[in-house]
Amino acid sequence: DTAVSQTPKYLVTQMGNDKSIKCEQNLGHDTMYWYKQDSKKFLKIMFSYNNKELIINETVPNRFSPKSPDKAHLNLHINSLELGDSAVYFCASSHTKGTTGELFFGEGSRLTVL
Amino acid sequence: AQSVTQPDIHITVSEGASLELRCNYSYGATPYLFWYVQSPGQGLQLLLKYFSGDTLVQGIKGFEAEFKRSQSSFNLRKPSVHWSDAAEYFCAVVNSGGGADGLTFGKGTHLIIQP
Repeated sequence: DTAVSQTPKYLVTQMGNDKSIKCEQNLGHDTMYWYKQDSKKFLKIMFSYNNKELIINETVPNRFSPKSPDKAHLNLHINSLELGDSAVYFCASSHTKGTTGELFFGEGSRLTVL
Repeated sequence: AQSVTQPDIHITVSEGASLELRCNYSYGATPYLFWYVQSPGQGLQLLLKYFSGDTLVQGIKGFEAEFKRSQSSFNLRKPSVHWSDAAEYFCAVVNSGGGADGLTFGKGTHLIIQP
């Protein structure tokens, strides 16, 4: 059983399109995250949700909209895609109570904008 | 704000040789520190973590790391590397808000193994 799963794994699309990436975790965690990894492998947090409530919203264009229908799912929708959005997007989850912040990651979704 | 520095972007080591990857952190209180590994095309896997207590922590795949508060360092070591250790290695510190604030990562060290 995959603990944190993301779909799709690869996404190639044209500039201006809208796309979504889905994430699900079966670890019973109460917090989920989206991280962006750029071409230089730098990982930066974008959003975090705790029990479906938005906790972190870093300086990310408002073309990016996370949605958490329940605490096991956190989806990322991106409008009007731009070339600079090309990256690998990682979903992660963690417990937040009585823990030390260890994150469990999905395998990533590689987005290529042409 | 917390930050993590990994001074080495690339490191090349011969198979069977020892390895040390450097990590320095900036954090106001006692940090929770992590090392993750990312194999090509894969997600991040936790190697080891430090919370408190013994400053030498053991992880998976034969890795260990030592927390040195006086040097604000948390270097990763392995006595003898294998070709399968070639990957990207990330040091991370929990964000100061704790809870749902996630981790701050260093920029990574790319490990190359020479035969």
